[in-house]
Amino acid sequence: EDKVVQSPLSLVVHEGDTVTLNCSYEVTNFRSLLWYKQEKKAPTFLFMLTSSGIEKKSGRLSSILDKKELFSILNITATQTGDSAVYLCAVGPMKTSYDKVIFGPGTSLSVIP
Amino acid sequence: DADVTQTPRNRITKTGKRIMLECSQTKGHDRMYWYRQDPGLGLRLIYYSFDVKDINKGEISDGYSVSRQAQAKFSLSLESAIPNQTALYFCATSDTSGSRETQYFGPGTRLLVL
Repeated sequence: EDKVVQSPLSLVVHEGDTVTLNCSYEVTNFRSLLWYKQEKKAPTFLFMLTSSGIEKKSGRLSSILDKKELFSILNITATQTGDSAVYLCAVGPMKTSYDKVIFGPGTSLSVIP
Repeated sequence: DADVTQTPRNRITKTGKRIMLECSQTKGHDRMYWYRQDPGLGLRLIYYSFDVKDINKGEISDGYSVSRQAQAKFSLSLESAIPNQTALYFCATSDTSGSRETQYFGPGTRLLVL
């Protein structure tokens, strides 16, 4: 059974801290891994990762994929209160007509002043 | 203007009632999806549609039905609502050129079934 696991499920940090969110997966014929940020609204897209070892960066956020060990991490440096959100990891298993994306349960991040 | 819209944004209904959640998109995408989100369970796929004539069940389709009225519209119906269908419902779209796995979400519909 395909699955996506995220850890921790919740996290509280102080502003300025650096956090690392984890995502591991077991899917058939992996195609891509996606990270989303969800505040009190719909998820918004952060990164799509398809190749191992290539870091993607956007401001204070960065992410990397390890296809051998089947996991990805999302790093946030110098956290701000605006980073408080649920971070969702999702995996697209197959490049076929069955274009299902499997989401993990999310990591709830709270950044306190 | 929002690319993916959902109506209503909030809805309270009673057990046994039939309700419809609507989704419209202006992105011109072929593929549309309905998800529900529950605390601790992440997003779960209810139904998805690859074009107007192609509709598929997702992970948790029991108790739901859908209609793809046009490329831009995808409706989700609860034929006889029950309390465990209380959740946040998201519509999403994706295109078929390049990054199919990148989905664009609507704002969500919060449904409470009493």
